[in-house]
Amino acid sequence: AQKITQTQPGMFVQEKEAVTLDCTYDTSDPSYGLFWYKQPSSGEMIFLIYQGSYDQQNATEGRYSLNFQKARKSANLVISASQLGDSAMYFCAMRRRGATNKLIFGTGTLLAVQP
Amino acid sequence: GAGVSQSPSNKVTEKGKDVELRCDPISGHTALYWYRQSLGQGLEFLIYFQGNSAPDKSGLPSDRFSAERTGGSVSTLTIQRTQQEDSAVYLCAGGGRGDNNEQFFGPGTRLTVL
Repeated sequence: AQKITQTQPGMFVQEKEAVTLDCTYDTSDPSYGLFWYKQPSSGEMIFLIYQGSYDQQNATEGRYSLNFQKARKSANLVISASQLGDSAMYFCAMRRRGATNKLIFGTGTLLAVQP
Repeated sequence: GAGVSQSPSNKVTEKGKDVELRCDPISGHTALYWYRQSLGQGLEFLIYFQGNSAPDKSGLPSDRFSAERTGGSVSTLTIQRTQQEDSAVYLCAGGGRGDNNEQFFGPGTRLTVL
């Protein structure tokens, strides 16, 4: 069975510093995709970044980067130069390629950026 | 509109009543998903529609839950004889068929069953 684990219920970070949000996953499929979503207090789910299991390089999108360690089955999100607007819930999710494409989500990490 | 819309944004109902939640995806998105987010939890997959294919209903928690998608566009999630444990935010998402296509989420419907 596929599973996503986020072990950090909450994190604090000082404004302008970098922060790493942990995500580990469990799957026996050789092909899969990993996603990070941001959910601010308004409730919308905002796509941040995607990593394919066969991608050779770690994904980057602006201040977001994904530290993909396939052998360890981890896909940590790194946010550089944190901003107050980064305060939100962050969800890691996994999708099997070629299947329903449904996303399996972790329980999330609540990030608070302090001024 | 430019994004996924859902209505109503909030719904309060009494236990035992039926409710209908609506999702209007982005035009051209062939895939449509319903997820449920209970308080303090991650999202739980409910049902998936892809074009004219039979929907994947494997995530529906009971036969009180059903969904349809008319004309490959608007979708309605129906919960019959609501229970208090049905209280949650119901999120709709749409996307393309590609493996790495992101899913675009709507703002959700917050359902409260009294």
